[in-house]
Amino acid sequence: DAMVIQNPRYQVTQFGKPVTLSCSQTLNHNVMYWYQQKSSQAPKLLFHYYDKDFNNEADTPDNFQSRRPNTSFCFLDIRSPGLGDAAMYLCATRIQAGVGETQYFGPGTRLLVL
Amino acid sequence: AQKITQTQPGMFVQEKEAVTLDCTYDTSDPSYGLFWYKQPSSGEMIFLIYQGSYDQQNATEGRYSLNFQKARKSANLVISASQLGDSAMYFCAMRERTSGSRLTFGEGTQLTVNP
Repeated sequence: DAMVIQNPRYQVTQFGKPVTLSCSQTLNHNVMYWYQQKSSQAPKLLFHYYDKDFNNEADTPDNFQSRRPNTSFCFLDIRSPGLGDAAMYLCATRIQAGVGETQYFGPGTRLLVL
Repeated sequence: AQKITQTQPGMFVQEKEAVTLDCTYDTSDPSYGLFWYKQPSSGEMIFLIYQGSYDQQNATEGRYSLNFQKARKSANLVISASQLGDSAMYFCAMRERTSGSRLTFGEGTQLTVNP
């Protein structure tokens, strides 16, 4: 059974048209992450939530916002997508404990900006 | 400075042979964890194996083992008896105690298993 679910798997949007990606988890993990991954590159952390505490990475553009209405769901909002925002967006969850707890990733959403 | 370095952008191996993917790391934190993930072309990141900085023995998970050399700050992944399904991108990652929830990834190694 899928533990971290991302919808949709593929998303096409138009330049400048707001888009929302969703992530849900059945693991009851208190930490949720959003990563952006471009082709043949390492995932880049955009932000993460520790419970309801939001942690933005310093170089995450203002165009990217996130919401976590409850433990199970987290959303990534891209307010005005540009061509450079076309990428794979990965959601991950983790139980906050020591350094050893692994992150569990969802299957990702591939975003195409036309 | 790069915290995680994977020096092999691409690796090729024959089916049923073993392969080693290199990873070196840089940290001054005595408490850290090292992870390897596999990412097939479908995109999902799959956790493979974990090694803690205080672990005395090398981690093993089925056909995966981690060659942990703490003094050299290396954490190489060894895949034994390669299978065609092992063809994927492999990422080494590290979490330091001082970095909280953040995981730092290397640039990855693209492994191709040939029949």
